[in-house]
Amino acid sequence: GAVVSQHPSRVICKSGTSVKIECRSLDFQATTMFWYRQFPKQSLMLMATSNEGSKATYEQGVEKDKFLINHASLTLSTLTVTSAHPEDSSFYICSAQGQGNTGELFFGEGSRLTVL
Amino acid sequence: AQSVTQLGSHVSVSEGALVLLRCNYSSSVPPYLFWYVQYPNQGLQLLLKYTSAATLVKGINGFEAEFKKSETSFHLTKPSAHMSDAAEYFCAVYTSGTYKYIFGTGTRLKVLA
Repeated sequence: GAVVSQHPSRVICKSGTSVKIECRSLDFQATTMFWYRQFPKQSLMLMATSNEGSKATYEQGVEKDKFLINHASLTLSTLTVTSAHPEDSSFYICSAQGQGNTGELFFGEGSRLTVL
Repeated sequence: AQSVTQLGSHVSVSEGALVLLRCNYSSSVPPYLFWYVQYPNQGLQLLLKYTSAATLVKGINGFEAEFKKSETSFHLTKPSAHMSDAAEYFCAVYTSGTYKYIFGTGTRLKVLA
């Protein structure tokens, strides 16, 4: 199947700093990528839909100035958590949609962010 | 509106026993349905998917699921549990009209020796 790579897998940062997470589709072109946030022992919460060459579409309640998403190419989307605070600590997962109408999602390995 | 309900946040089975993880969906249009597995600190991996072809879908690692429209269900089964099956399982529904995925709350499967 298609491969989506996410980096870094773990990051620890100080409060007030910004952190960038990259999501790459390695063997296919992804016009649409999705960013999810997962709290411990909970399901995935869709944060935003990232479309190549255009602004991301954020879900209700997600601060677009806090979570900056850029989808500059067909194989790369980035999520930047700006001025991170401890409450931003979470597991962030990206996914890319496969070809065709069946909409299968291919997921990255996830990035665990810990803000001290 | 679409929705997915997974009954049972935790399921425990003995090694070698039948695995049954329940998923019910709600969708106003024909849905695409997926089961994903997540191991600790990892992303999600596709187990199987229903895309309006055969109602009995076979996936990886011996899992299968049956789409039952009359019951709006897409339960995941495996005849014989293995220790390596211990993980979190998510059911998801997608419709091309909404371009959105809705995930269930997940079921944590524990396999007892």
